Amino acid sequence: AQSVAQPEDQVNVAEGNPLTVKCTYSVSGNPYLFWYVQYPNRGLQFLLKYITGDNLVKGSYGFEAEFNKSQTSFHLKKPSALVSDSALYFCAVRDMNRDDKIIFGKGTRLHILP
Amino acid sequence: DTEVTQTPKHLVMGMTNKKSLKCEQHMGHRAMYWYKQKAKKPPELMFVYSYEKLSINESVPSRFSPECPNSSLLNLHLHALQPEDSALYLCASSHQVGLAGSNEQFFGPGTRLTVL
Repeated sequence: AQSVAQPEDQVNVAEGNPLTVKCTYSVSGNPYLFWYVQYPNRGLQFLLKYITGDNLVKGSYGFEAEFNKSQTSFHLKKPSALVSDSALYFCAVRDMNRDDKIIFGKGTRLHILP
Repeated sequence: DTEVTQTPKHLVMGMTNKKSLKCEQHMGHRAMYWYKQKAKKPPELMFVYSYEKLSINESVPSRFSPECPNSSLLNLHLHALQPEDSALYLCASSHQVGLAGSNEQFFGPGTRLTVL
């Protein structure tokens, strides 16, 4: 079965420090991977995606993610955290059997400490 | 216009009421989605419309009835809901060009539904 796992329910980082939100995937074939962010009482916003090509993907708001095929990971990173980055982050993968569907991870709450 | 709009923002309804949620986008997207999201959980896919045709129904109870009148509009008709249906209902849209399923989804702000 295809899935993504976000092993941390919450990540706490001091403002100005680098941050990492972890995601691992399990799919057959080449994965299509996404990161979304959700601020309180809002819909999800797309951050970045990996389809093919360069393993380092740059996205919105200074975020980037590194695709690692050998470790089946797609961790989200940012060099210097802002308090405004505090939100709920979802990793997602395209359902390889149903083109229109993506499968979300359970989410990781990122808390940036001032 | 790069926005997905949803109305109403909040909705309170009784178990015998009939109501509708509306979603609109003017980005030329041909795929539109309904999701249900409970607090602190990921969105759960309910329905997908592709080129105005229902392409995915995730075994959603018939008390939820989707409708796609045209390529810009998506409705979700609600009837005889249960209290456990209370949730944030999110609409999303995406392109359907290039590699299938490779396109990011644009989400609306959601409708917060409370069923009494």
